[in-house]
Amino acid sequence: DVKVTQSSRYLVKRTGEKVFLECVQDMDHENMFWYRQDPGLGLRLIYFSYDVKMKEKGDIPEGYSVSREKKERFSLILESASTNQTSMYLCASSLRGRTYNEQFFGPGTRLTVL
Amino acid sequence: AQSVTQLDSQVPVFEEAPVELRCNYSSSVSVYLFWYVQYPNQGLQLLLKYLSGSTLVKGINGFEAEFNKSQTSFHLRKPSVHISDTAEYFCAVTRMDSSYKLIFGSGTRLLVRP
Repeated sequence: DVKVTQSSRYLVKRTGEKVFLECVQDMDHENMFWYRQDPGLGLRLIYFSYDVKMKEKGDIPEGYSVSREKKERFSLILESASTNQTSMYLCASSLRGRTYNEQFFGPGTRLTVL
Repeated sequence: AQSVTQLDSQVPVFEEAPVELRCNYSSSVSVYLFWYVQYPNQGLQLLLKYLSGSTLVKGINGFEAEFNKSQTSFHLRKPSVHISDTAEYFCAVTRMDSSYKLIFGSGTRLLVRP
């Protein structure tokens, strides 16, 4: 069964802290994604990785960075957390190819920055 | 650029009644179309997709959607809803030539009442 796991379901951090959100997939997928989900805005792509050590900015990369040192793991980093980064963060993965490949989502991490 | 509009933020309906969740998209190029469902405290799950072929697409849990190119719509329907269908539903599109990048609508919360 396809599985994408995220290290925490709920996380509370303070303004200015460095925050790491971890995502692991067991499907040998090349592509991995980080989305942010906010009420009334749907999901917005923060960063995308198509291979180890490769990344592309999504629609809202400001204030975030990512790391992909191993194929199965994709980390989202908030260098200095701010209250406007309080949100639900969803990780996804898919195969890479010229045609459409389904994205599989993790359960999400609800981050609160105080 | 592509965009997706889900005009209804919430749709209340009684159990066993039919439901339609509306989705309109805008794109200057050909797209693939999707509906995802998010049950409470879970990640997103693919309900159905339109890639090509028949414009009437059937998905899981008795849902179906019809692609209407002239009206740029992809409305989701179910003839008889259950309490368990209570969830948030997201419409999404992706360019055929860049099918990794999903653009999501703002979501519609379906609330099924007994």
